[in-house]
Amino acid sequence: SYVVTQPPSESVAPGQTARISCGGNNIESKTVHWYQQKSGQAPALVVYDDSDRPSGIPERFSGSNSGNTATLTISRVEAGDEADYYCQVWDSSSDHVLFGGGTKLTVL
Amino acid sequence: QITLKESGPTLVKPTQTLTLTCSFSGFSLSTSGVGVAWIRQPPGKALEWLALIYWDDDEWYSPSLKSRLTITKDTSKNQVVLTMTNMDPMDTGTYYCAHSRDWFDPWGQGTLVTVSS
Repeated sequence: SYVVTQPPSESVAPGQTARISCGGNNIESKTVHWYQQKSGQAPALVVYDDSDRPSGIPERFSGSNSGNTATLTISRVEAGDEADYYCQVWDSSSDHVLFGGGTKLTVL
Repeated sequence: QITLKESGPTLVKPTQTLTLTCSFSGFSLSTSGVGVAWIRQPPGKALEWLALIYWDDDEWYSPSLKSRLTITKDTSKNQVVLTMTNMDPMDTGTYYCAHSRDWFDPWGQGTLVTVSS
C-alpha cells in the first residue's frame, strides 16, 4: 500500500524559511493537503490541493508538489508557527485517506 | 460558519463498543460533494484516519480497522455517528470529526476516549 513519509522534526530560526517535506512514490500524481496542529489544539488546514490556501491563512504558507516530494514552505517564520505539521493524501489504489507521520517544527 | 462537536463516553472498558456522535452546523450532508470524516490521535502520536461518509451515502473505512467500524449519518439531525467495536487500550486517544471536501476543514475540538478496565 501507499506510504507517505515526513521527517520527524525540523528547526528554523525566526525570520528564516522552513521547508517540510512529504515523500511518496510519484506523489505528484496525488493531491496533497497540509494541516497545522498547535499544542493542545485540533488540527487546522493550512494548504489544500497542493498549493491553495484557505481564507485566513497567511501568504507565508505555500505548498508545492513535484516528483516524489510535496513541500510545505513557511516563509518569514514566526514563533507562533511552532507546531506539528501533517500532510494528507487520498490513496486511490486502496480508497482510503493517508496522513504522514507528522513533522514537529521548532522555532529556535 | 461551519462548526462540529464530538460527544460520547470518556471512558470505555476493553471489549466494549464505542459510540461517538459528531453534531455539526453550517452545512448540510445532503449537499453534493460534502462529507464528514473521523480521525483519531493517540496521546503524543500522529493522526490516523478512521472513516468518511459522503452526502450520497458512500462510506470509506481505514483498511486496518474496517471490520470494527461503522459510520452512519442522520441528515435531518445534522449528525454523524461512528461506532467502534471490541475496544482495546491501544484505542485510547482523541477522536476528531471534520467537515470534508477532499480535505478536512474545519475540525471539531476532539473528545478524549480512554480505554481501561
